[in-house]
Amino acid sequence: AQKITQTQPGMFVQEKEAVTLDCTYDTSDPSYGLFWYKQPSSGEMIFLIYQGSYDQQNATEGRYSLNFQKARKSANLVISASQLGDSAMYFCAIAAGGQNFVFGPGTRLSVLP
Amino acid sequence: DAGVIQSPRHEVTEMGQEVTLRCKPISGHDYLFWYRQTMMRGLELLIYFNNNVPIDDSGMPEDRFSAKMPNASFSTLKIQPSEPRDSAVYFCASTGTSGGSSYNEQFFGPGTRLTVL
Repeated sequence: AQKITQTQPGMFVQEKEAVTLDCTYDTSDPSYGLFWYKQPSSGEMIFLIYQGSYDQQNATEGRYSLNFQKARKSANLVISASQLGDSAMYFCAIAAGGQNFVFGPGTRLSVLP
Repeated sequence: DAGVIQSPRHEVTEMGQEVTLRCKPISGHDYLFWYRQTMMRGLELLIYFNNNVPIDDSGMPEDRFSAKMPNASFSTLKIQPSEPRDSAVYFCASTGTSGGSSYNEQFFGPGTRLTVL
């Protein structure tokens, strides 16, 4: 079975600064995918970024990048140049051995003006 | 593309009543998922379908919950009888397995906020 751990229940960051949200995972499957989703206060789930277990390079999508350290089983999300609109819950998820996604408990990010 | 459509957006019902939540996945997607989100338990996968066939329903809490997918464009999640502890936001999501990637992102609907009094 897969598991996601997000050890930061809440984080604060100053506007325009970078922030790293931690995610560690556990799976025995050599093939897996890692995902980050954003959930603003309005409630919708927004896909941010994806990293495949065999991808050689870290994924990037605009201001989002994924710091993938396979040996450590970590997939931290880095948000550069934080904006007020980045304030939200952030969920890390893993899919392995099929399309069964397992989500972590989330980290609430607050961006301060 | 309209995205994943869920109805109703909000549902308030009394304990013991039957509740039916509906979902229309993105056209062409062959996987459909039902999740439940609560403060206490976070985001839980209840069941998922592939090509309209239930693949894993191990997350369905109990026999009061049932889900169907009669065709590729429609799914329902039914709770009968409903209980106050079923109060949660229920999300439907879909994904496709095209594009050569083993795993593709799930696209979520807006959710149905269920309150059982």
